[in-house]
Amino acid sequence: NAGVTQTPKFQVLKTGQSMTLQCAQDMNHEYMSWYRQDPGMGLRLIHYSVGAGITDQGEVPNGYNVSRSTTEDFPLRLLSAAPSQTSVYFCASSYSARRGDNSPLHFGNGTRLTVT
Amino acid sequence: GDSVTQMEGPVTLSEEAFLTINCTYTATGYPSLFWYVQYPGEGLQLLLKATKADDKGSNKGFEATYRKETTSFHLEKGSVQVSDSAVYFCALSDNAGGTSYGKLTFGQGTILTVHP
Repeated sequence: NAGVTQTPKFQVLKTGQSMTLQCAQDMNHEYMSWYRQDPGMGLRLIHYSVGAGITDQGEVPNGYNVSRSTTEDFPLRLLSAAPSQTSVYFCASSYSARRGDNSPLHFGNGTRLTVT
Repeated sequence: GDSVTQMEGPVTLSEEAFLTINCTYTATGYPSLFWYVQYPGEGLQLLLKATKADDKGSNKGFEATYRKETTSFHLEKGSVQVSDSAVYFCALSDNAGGTSYGKLTFGQGTILTVHP
């Protein structure tokens, strides 16, 4: 059971370059999300999706795009990388994110991105 | 808005010492509360949860009690081991009305190091 798989594990970009972080889950989870983790700031929600074809913005969406064409995949696109986007990115999924369901989030192992 | 505040870290303990990591929260409505743990090089994983006032969550020797009167969810363990060295995150999911889907709000994380 692979769970949540993120690729790549590490990436270095130059300012202005674009790239896509990949996330796939094999648990048929309804809810998927992207967080960034920065020292002293915990995890902040970038975008989330409650099903195929449905996405919404989180706390820090600027500079990022997402799409959800299938239940399994939820890629995160950086359109024009900036040094402020240097961070560790985590994809997470859960069976349901309906209020009160309290389904636990399952996290991938993260992508460490450096923008120079 | 919702917020979670954790005690400042890092925390360094000797093996078999008692552990407390403080967590307080601000939320509208009646949140569910969680502790997640992140081992080196890995994503976060759910450690324990509590969904209503006075509930006690427990797992792997860790405990936390949902205290509505003090808006707190402190993590405790009676005797820590070297293998407990990790980053611990307190989080809440707001179950109040509004949009249909709840999202997790994380604290900033507390680094725990346990020495033999």
